[in-house]
Amino acid sequence: DGGITQSPKYLFRKEGQNVTLSCEQNLNHDAMYWYRQDPGQGLRLIYYSQIVNDFQKGDIAEGYSVSREKKESFPLTVTSAQKNPTAFYLCASRQGASTEAFFGQGTRLTVV
Amino acid sequence: AQKITQTQPGMFVQEKEAVTLDCTYDTSDPSYGLFWYKQPSSGEMIFLIYQGSYDQQNATEGRYSLNFQKARKSANLVISASQLGDSAMYFCAMRELYSGGGADGLTFGKGTHLIIQP
Repeated sequence: DGGITQSPKYLFRKEGQNVTLSCEQNLNHDAMYWYRQDPGQGLRLIYYSQIVNDFQKGDIAEGYSVSREKKESFPLTVTSAQKNPTAFYLCASRQGASTEAFFGQGTRLTVV
Repeated sequence: AQKITQTQPGMFVQEKEAVTLDCTYDTSDPSYGLFWYKQPSSGEMIFLIYQGSYDQQNATEGRYSLNFQKARKSANLVISASQLGDSAMYFCAMRELYSGGGADGLTFGKGTHLIIQP
């Protein structure tokens, strides 16, 4: 079945550590996105990529980094520079200008 | 300024009743898309319905319909014959198709927590 796979589902990080969240899609979509969701809030865009080897900052990119070396993969690194990283992270992909985005199951990151 | 406003933080509705979830939006882009997503407690985002700014008719998908009033910048979701499984968070979102160099991606409202009571 085609879809988006995020791993891990739960992630615990110590303060000062970098962690990488995985996002893989087999939908053959060109565009991929990372969103952050805080309790009681909507999703906010962190980074997006419209094509391999190219990505752009979203609304809240500070403290995060991404890469897009393969069409299928768009990993997100939460760096130690991110002051408040505890949140729910959702990856999405899309094909076409006026089509819906498909989302993964999400990764819940907690700083301990 | 908020681009997507959902004014109902929470709603309780009796099973089998129809429910309307409000969404207003703000954009100067003439070409945009409006989306509704459902987020159950598991966290996944489930696409429900899409309305393009140039679509002449309101979108419908099964029990879901979108009441699109362009002049009022309103895109309310209507769920007919609500079911217990409809209990979830509902998010309205917008994508501006000519974003003038701004970020691609969806802009989301803060959501409405819908609870269907038996």
